[in-house]
Amino acid sequence: EVQLVESGGGWVQPGGSLRLSCAASGFAFSEYTMSWVRQAPGKGLEWVAKLKEDRSEEYYGASVKGRFTISRDNAKNSLFLQMSSLRVEDAAVYYCARGGRSRFDAWGQGTLVTVSS
Amino acid sequence: QSALTQPASVSGSPGQWITISCIGSSSDIGAYNYVSWYQQHPGKAPKLMIYDVTNRPSGISNRFSGSKSGYTASLTISGLQAEDEADYYCCSHTSDNTFEFGGGTKLTVL
Repeated sequence: EVQLVESGGGWVQPGGSLRLSCAASGFAFSEYTMSWVRQAPGKGLEWVAKLKEDRSEEYYGASVKGRFTISRDNAKNSLFLQMSSLRVEDAAVYYCARGGRSRFDAWGQGTLVTVSS
Repeated sequence: QSALTQPASVSGSPGQWITISCIGSSSDIGAYNYVSWYQQHPGKAPKLMIYDVTNRPSGISNRFSGSKSGYTASLTISGLQAEDEADYYCCSHTSDNTFEFGGGTKLTVL
């Protein structure tokens, strides 16, 4: 069974940093592009970033480019999102999702990030 | 404001069919056949329902179908059931190798 489990969410002040993790199991993690997608409270989905399976290419949404960094450790079946210079508008549930070419076919349960003073 | 435009809400009675539209542009829906649709129930993670415009993942009911014409993609749900009540999001690959989601459509089964 494909499983994605996010962790690392929590409360942070504006301007602060946070690192999210996603533990993958049940599939060949090293063979898949992986993505982060977020959802602000009561709002719609927003794609955040993706990283190819071999880490050769990474892409970011305009709202997070230059502040967020996506990375992965294929040996540990893990995906990460380093978030810096956090803003109030970055507050959301962050989902780890398998895919990044044409679709996202597996999702974690999400981890909540709160940004406030 | 989302790059892909969806109606905020649609409704239908059990057994009927509904269609949700998703309007994009020449740099997303019009450029690629990489349109996907997601169903999200309250408090739950999104679930892939349609990919590559028309394809259904294994386990998804054939009551769900997708199509595309020009810059507009559509999701049709036939034989509406109570459990179909949820939020639905379209998504498209874009010309700068990123993704755009629609703003979401709340489906109410009357």
